[in-house]
Amino acid sequence: SYEVTQPPSVSVSPGQTASITCSGDKLGDKHVCWYQQRPGQSPVVVIYQDSKRPSGIPERFSGSNSGNTATLTISGTQAMDEADYYCQAWDSNIAYVFGAGTKVTVL
Amino acid sequence: EVQLVESGGGLVQPGRSLRLSCTVSGFTFGDYAMSWVRQAPGKGLEWVGFIRSKGYGGTAVYAASVKGRITISRDDSKSIAYLQMNSLRTEDTAVYYCTRAPEGGYGMFDYWGQGTLVTVSS
Repeated sequence: SYEVTQPPSVSVSPGQTASITCSGDKLGDKHVCWYQQRPGQSPVVVIYQDSKRPSGIPERFSGSNSGNTATLTISGTQAMDEADYYCQAWDSNIAYVFGAGTKVTVL
Repeated sequence: EVQLVESGGGLVQPGRSLRLSCTVSGFTFGDYAMSWVRQAPGKGLEWVGFIRSKGYGGTAVYAASVKGRITISRDDSKSIAYLQMNSLRTEDTAVYYCTRAPEGGYGMFDYWGQGTLVTVSS
């Protein structure tokens, strides 16, 4: 079965850039979404179709996907960005696959 | 305003069955695929299955971990999606989220419900 791998945690200072990777075999050939989940809340999509931002999501969130790695980048990280982030891969063969999640800590 | 409200969770004994409901409002339910995602306590997200809109065949697809034990269905006249779970195991204990999946949305879940907790325990 298909798997994607994320780092368990990422730490970032306020105002700096946080990068979260998601790795999987030929992941660049699949479609990737990223979800933010704050404690006690439901997930929210912050990036879809590799790099598109839904309306209402701040411009500091961006995404890319190429080769075997997708990356979520948070520029100018704010305290409110502290949350768990999940990548999710999709194509017609694998259906939906979530990564194990990355806890972003804003120090 | 788009809303998805899950119901039907609770405490259930191993081996028993449970049916969850997802009642939606704020959009044309029949135009969208609907999916269920679960999250065990303190763990990550796990896709459970989805059902396509009638316009795309209305078929359901399930994750390997639950295939054969669950059935997802929909009632477009009531704007409700269902998750029927049979032969429940302790490892099925989780918060179950209902999500909206736009057809042609390349795998995105654009709206989520608040979740309903299912606890499987004797």
